[in-house]
Amino acid sequence: GAVVSQHPSRVICKSGTSVKIECRSLDFQATTMFWYRQFPKKSLMLMATSNEGSKATYEQGVEKDKFLINHASLTLSTLTVTSAHPEDSSFYICSARNRGRDEKLFFGSGTQLSVL
Amino acid sequence: GENVEQHPSTLSVQEGDSAVIKCTYSDSASNYFPWYKQELGKRPQLIIDIRSNVGEKKDQRIAVTLNKTAKHFSLHITETQPEDSAVYFCASLSGTYKYIFGTGTRLKVLA
Repeated sequence: GAVVSQHPSRVICKSGTSVKIECRSLDFQATTMFWYRQFPKKSLMLMATSNEGSKATYEQGVEKDKFLINHASLTLSTLTVTSAHPEDSSFYICSARNRGRDEKLFFGSGTQLSVL
Repeated sequence: GENVEQHPSTLSVQEGDSAVIKCTYSDSASNYFPWYKQELGKRPQLIIDIRSNVGEKKDQRIAVTLNKTAKHFSLHITETQPEDSAVYFCASLSGTYKYIFGTGTRLKVLA
């Protein structure tokens, strides 16, 4: 089956630092990847859609300069939380759709970000 | 904008009983409806999906039904087991890549 790898699984950082999260599709090519934020016991909030070779599409209310997304290849998308603050602490999770196949969406294992 | 409503938010059932979770979508052009199971701290896992040209799909103890006219789709789990306890999310695909997720249902199967 399709596998999406996400790293790191957990990161603790100081306020003001930047954190990069990687999302890789291991056995398929993903033209489109999605980044979500999930609060405890809540649903998945779509932050942005990452398109290979072009600019990401951000959802309303999500600051693109705060959450930098780069989708440099068909198997890798990165989310960088810039100048992180405690309110950015959350569970971030990516997903990818297999290019040229069906509509199934596969999720990464998530990254728990804690900003001190 | 498009949205998906999901009910109930929490559901407790006795082991062996059935569980039903319902979702309603707003975009009549939606054509794909997956269900995900998420255990605490883990990634959502696709458990079953249905396309708009089908009314029902079954996979062992899990089934999904779709009523396009009413814009409803439901997840049915029969003979529930403690390991079915998790949060379940429905979703609809609107357009080519916009997945809209429901708010989730926390299912507890009591032994």
